[in-house]
Amino acid sequence: EIVMTQSPATLSVSPGERATLSCRASQSVSDNLAWYQQKPGQAPRLLISGASTRATGIPARFSGSGSGTEFTLTISSLQSEDFAVYYCQQYNTWPPWTFGQGTKVEIK
Amino acid sequence: EVQLLESGGGLVQPGGSLRLSCAASGFTFRTYAISWVRQAPGKGLEWVSSISSSGGNTYYADSVKGRFTISRDNSKNTLYLQMNSLRADDTAVYYCTKDAHSSGWFRDAFDIWGQGTVVTVSS
Repeated sequence: EIVMTQSPATLSVSPGERATLSCRASQSVSDNLAWYQQKPGQAPRLLISGASTRATGIPARFSGSGSGTEFTLTISSLQSEDFAVYYCQQYNTWPPWTFGQGTKVEIK
Repeated sequence: EVQLLESGGGLVQPGGSLRLSCAASGFTFRTYAISWVRQAPGKGLEWVSSISSSGGNTYYADSVKGRFTISRDNSKNTLYLQMNSLRADDTAVYYCTKDAHSSGWFRDAFDIWGQGTVVTVSS
């Protein structure tokens, strides 16, 4: 089973600042890595797939990078609606499909 | 509009059973692999089970293997999860979600999610 580890657990950022979230896989997942955003009481929403491809309707301030075992989600200028929990997920080697434990982005 | 709508959740006693449904609309259901993902209260996302477009291939997390059964009826555009021998640690919001690729196999991320249905296992 591939273990996904996200850091930090909580990120405190001021509106307008950049946020950088990390995700590490216990073995290579190539670029088969997705990022999801989840707000309280809502279902997850796909942001990024293929490590760096934004999903339909996702603003350009969200960008993903990395391959193999190290990945990054960057939010270039945080908006109020971006405060949420973010999960990475690998879909390279399954079953199981595995998620990171999440990074909460909170208002500083 | 592409939609997934779960139903069937509720309160059940330990050892009991429940069947969840997920009704799909707005896309060609029979050409997509579909999965169940759950989220325990205050916790992260946990993959539960997946099924290929034809229903011929199914996969389960170790935590539910032998107790849960995933199935689909492509004529009704509906996915199911039969849950037996329920335990307290099965308490969660259960989401159905589709693979982004229309190959019918598991090739991509989960692009569309339902709103979830709550399962509570308690005496």
